[in-house]
Amino acid sequence: LAKTTQPISMDSYEGQEVNITCSHNNIATNDYITWYQQFPSQGPRFIIQGYKTKVTNEVASLFIPADRKSSTLSLPRVSLSDTAVYYCLVGRGNTPLVFGKGTRLSVIA
Amino acid sequence: DVKVTQSSRYLVKRTGEKVFLECVQDMDHENMFWYRQDPGLGLRLIYFSYDVKMKEKGDIPEGYSVSREKKERFSLILESASTNQTSMYLCASSLSRTSGKNEQFFGPGTRLTVL
Repeated sequence: LAKTTQPISMDSYEGQEVNITCSHNNIATNDYITWYQQFPSQGPRFIIQGYKTKVTNEVASLFIPADRKSSTLSLPRVSLSDTAVYYCLVGRGNTPLVFGKGTRLSVIA
Repeated sequence: DVKVTQSSRYLVKRTGEKVFLECVQDMDHENMFWYRQDPGLGLRLIYFSYDVKMKEKGDIPEGYSVSREKKERFSLILESASTNQTSMYLCASSLSRTSGKNEQFFGPGTRLTVL
């Protein structure tokens, strides 16, 4: 299973763009890159998923370089409610996802 | 919307008791998973299942067993609860093992305390 590495924590002020980078050097050809968000006392929630280049939805953008050995989750104009733990995972349908310790994002007013 | 429900949000049991945690999903997903989450350790996979009556060990299966008699239901069993099994237990489901994308949908979690 592909291992991921991401920062333990990040701080940001409200209204700023936040970029969280994840490295996954041994990603397999068929693996997708998925990001989850988790608030205290809740289960993780899917944010975005991609295979290559750029993916954007109403919540975030995901940037994946050509070699796919890293990815960056971009959260535009964060608010206090974006304070959460963000997990980067790689995998595909026939393998269970491996959650690391995630990145604890703290948004400050 | 996919809905994953867990039988209890909070549960208190005594050491040695047999504990059942139930999980039900309503979107005909083939894959189901049980995780536990502890402070500083992230989510760790206990068991998973890709089909009815199938089960696979995750990273930390010791002290646990599972049952999947119906597609929509995946049960986690603590045969003899111990204090080190006090944790938040999270159930998840995803569409299919043949799907390239494997978005998992999580339940709200069960916070189990073993006294």
